[in-house]
Amino acid sequence: AQSVTQLGSHVSVSEGALVLLRCNYSSSVPPYLFWYVQYPNQGLQLLLKYTTGATLVKGINGFEAEFKKSETSFHLTKPSAHMSDAAEYFCAVSLGNTGKLIFGQGTTLQVKP
Amino acid sequence: GAGVSQTPSNKVTEKGKYVELRCDPISGHTALYWYRQSLGQGPEFLIYFQGTGAADDSGLPNDRFFAVRPEGSVSTLKIQRTERGDSAVYLCASSLGAWGTDTQYFGPGTRLTVL
Repeated sequence: AQSVTQLGSHVSVSEGALVLLRCNYSSSVPPYLFWYVQYPNQGLQLLLKYTTGATLVKGINGFEAEFKKSETSFHLTKPSAHMSDAAEYFCAVSLGNTGKLIFGQGTTLQVKP
Repeated sequence: GAGVSQTPSNKVTEKGKYVELRCDPISGHTALYWYRQSLGQGPEFLIYFQGTGAADDSGLPNDRFFAVRPEGSVSTLKIQRTERGDSAVYLCASSLGAWGTDTQYFGPGTRLTVL
């Protein structure tokens, strides 16, 4: 069965520092992987996704993630945090033939001035 | 264009009552998904529709929960005999198709509180 684990429910960084949010998955078939962001009182918004091809995926707002099959990981990074990046981030894996998403527990990113 | 909309945004009800939550997907999207998000958790899949039919309802917790999409567009999630444990944010998402690579676009959610 597919599952997603996000390491660290809360991550705090200083403005301008590197952002690293960790995601590991388990899947019996080649996974499709997603990162979503949820700002306060807003719906989930897609940051980026990996389906096939290039393993380094670039998304919106300067975020990127790298699919590493050998490590079953899909960590999210951003070189320099901005105050507006403070939000909750969810990693998800989909079942290829249905699109049903399995989400991790989420990581709250705090950005300190 | 218009995104996914959900009504009401907030619903407070008493234990044992019946509630309906509505989702208007993006026009032209054939797939529609319902998820439930409890406090401090990631969204959990409930059910998805491809067109008018429920293609997978394996996430519905019990037979008090039911969802319909009669014309292949708007969907309604129905909860009978509500319990306090049903309190959560109910999210709806739609996508062009139901393949795993299709991006799901989420609505803002309906926050359900059962007193």
